[in-house]
Amino acid sequence: ETAVFQTPNYHVTQVGNEVSFNCKQTLGHDTMYWYKQDSKKLLKIMFSYNNKQLIVNETVPRRFSPQSSDKAHLNLRIKSVEPEDSAVYLCASSYYRSQNTLYFGAGTRLSVL
Amino acid sequence: AQSVTQPDARVTVSEGASLQLRCKYSYSGTPYLFWYVQYPRQGLQLLLKYYSGDPVVQGVNGFEAEFIKSNSSFHLRKASVHWSDSAVYFCAVSPTSSSFSKLVFGQGTSLSVVP
Repeated sequence: ETAVFQTPNYHVTQVGNEVSFNCKQTLGHDTMYWYKQDSKKLLKIMFSYNNKQLIVNETVPRRFSPQSSDKAHLNLRIKSVEPEDSAVYLCASSYYRSQNTLYFGAGTRLSVL
Repeated sequence: AQSVTQPDARVTVSEGASLQLRCKYSYSGTPYLFWYVQYPRQGLQLLLKYYSGDPVVQGVNGFEAEFIKSNSSFHLRKASVHWSDSAVYFCAVSPTSSSFSKLVFGQGTSLSVVP
């Protein structure tokens, strides 16, 4: 059963709009991640948070900003989306001491027209 | 920096046949190695992992992988595939020495199991 919940499943928007994606995990993990998966299925880590603290911030455009209210929630906001932002955004969680064993949500598919 | 190469973007096998999905990694030491699977419209799930010890590791649903250090490989195998194994399979590697173990994924291999 799913224990990492992402909303929405799909989102279609136009260039220049702002979007927000939500992620919640019920596994009791203390570390959460955002990955971007492109149309060729390539996965790239974007951000990682441990107990609400940013610990990984890969080279992503500044229009992307993660937001964490507590260790069970990690949202992603994109200001002024671009066509190249079209992708599936995957949220994941883990224990900090076991960062290789990730539990993923089903993803949010973003289409930018 | 570590990297992972999955040379086969797509693999098609017949139901009941054996399977091998190839994975080669680049890392100066002995890394931690993983296989994840992504079923359609789902997130990734861990299939199996290698940290140390026996180079053949068993995973869920009859999958296994063998770590061959001399070849820098970690190929995934299954003796007899089922149609439900159709999915995208990702090999991943992480270093063992850093305080934050960043997981690096390969490009993925899309497996189609046909009747």
